[in-house]
Amino acid sequence: EAQVTQNPRYLITVTGKKLTVTCSQNMNHEYMSWYRQDPGLGLRQIYYSMNVEVTDKGDVPEGYKVSRKEKRNFPLILESPSPNQTSLYFCASSLLAGGYSYEQYFGPGTRLTVT
Amino acid sequence: AQKITQTQPGMFVQEKEAVTLDCTYDTSDQSYGLFWYKQPSSGEMIFLIYQGSYDEQNATEGRYSLNFQKARKSANLVISASQLGDSAMYFCAMREEGNKLVFGAGTILRVKS
Repeated sequence: EAQVTQNPRYLITVTGKKLTVTCSQNMNHEYMSWYRQDPGLGLRQIYYSMNVEVTDKGDVPEGYKVSRKEKRNFPLILESPSPNQTSLYFCASSLLAGGYSYEQYFGPGTRLTVT
Repeated sequence: AQKITQTQPGMFVQEKEAVTLDCTYDTSDQSYGLFWYKQPSSGEMIFLIYQGSYDEQNATEGRYSLNFQKARKSANLVISASQLGDSAMYFCAMREEGNKLVFGAGTILRVKS
């Protein structure tokens, strides 16, 4: 089954404790992206990647890191989480056609709480 | 300035009627793409429809159509024959050059029986 998986689905952690949220897709998509969803703000793009070893900042990259060492995986790293990073996080992937991304396939989301 | 504006925080529609969800966008790019996604209460994000900036025809996908008015920079979603299962949050999004994606704040749609 074609899908984007994220782990963990739920995470409660404390300020400053490094964490990684994994994202994996089995559709051979070039494009992968991370978003955070907050009430009243919709989804905001954190980072995206158009290929292995190619990553770009979205609108809210501060406090986050990503890496794309393999095509299928795009982990999100919070080196020193803070309470304002409490949010619902989505990973997504899509094909690139003519250099453009189109329909994105989303993972189920990771609800992160930082106390 | 907001790049994607969805002016309706919430909407009600009677079952079997049509409803229009508004979306206006702001970009100086010549090439861009516009998307609508649905998020039911279960939380998953579901792609509905796509419109490219150079597409001359309005996009349609089943009961969904996108009313694209380029000069007005609007990309409204029209849902025909609403069903109870259409109750959800709906997001308009824009792909800018470089493949950044910007979302609006969303519109909650409630379908009444």
